[in-house]
Amino acid sequence: DAGVIQSPRHEVTEMGQEVTLRCKPISGHNSLFWYRQTMMRGLELLIYFNNNVPIDDSGMPEDRFSAKMPNASFSTLKIQPSEPRDSAVYFCASSPPDRGRLEQYFGPGTRLTVT
Amino acid sequence: GQQVMQIPQYQHVQEGEDFTTYCNSSTTLSNIQWYKQRPGGHPVFLIQLVKSGEVKKQKRLTFQFGEAKKNSSLHITATQTTDVGTYFCAADGNKLVFGAGTILRVKS
Repeated sequence: DAGVIQSPRHEVTEMGQEVTLRCKPISGHNSLFWYRQTMMRGLELLIYFNNNVPIDDSGMPEDRFSAKMPNASFSTLKIQPSEPRDSAVYFCASSPPDRGRLEQYFGPGTRLTVT
Repeated sequence: GQQVMQIPQYQHVQEGEDFTTYCNSSTTLSNIQWYKQRPGGHPVFLIQLVKSGEVKKQKRLTFQFGEAKKNSSLHITATQTTDVGTYFCAADGNKLVFGAGTILRVKS
């Protein structure tokens, strides 16, 4: 069975550029999560969707970050403009129906480097 | 706001020794989850605990949820080299907050 799919796996960009990270959740899952992981701050929940609707975006660091989920099988996290401090591994996760924030299945992550 | 402390930060054990990591929340939780992340990998869901005082076992792993639903522990009996990685708790209260993780290294 296919797990959570993320692309790209690695992204190197220059400060000021727009970055778009993509995620395809596990088929049938109806909750989707975006996380950021750094050595300094650990694993942080950025935003959480349920049935394609953003439920909690309080973890989104600032207006430069935005996330969308146009349908049940696709989500994007966009950073515009990017800054060096955005360098991190970004994970997408999904969970099955009626599990909400429980039992999350993580994708392989996108390692973002902003120079 | 909700705060989660996980200890120890790091533990290096001899293969065959036991290992325990602890997670403490500043607020009462609805549930707590545990994840394992191998070096260079992604977090993998291990288990969730929902009930006060709950104890669950998975082979050599024992998970406990405190009576007050504010703390939890993960205990590994007789560690093996395959147990290496970082173990995270995810505390679900007002927010879902991950602990900083405990890095486990196992000497063979």
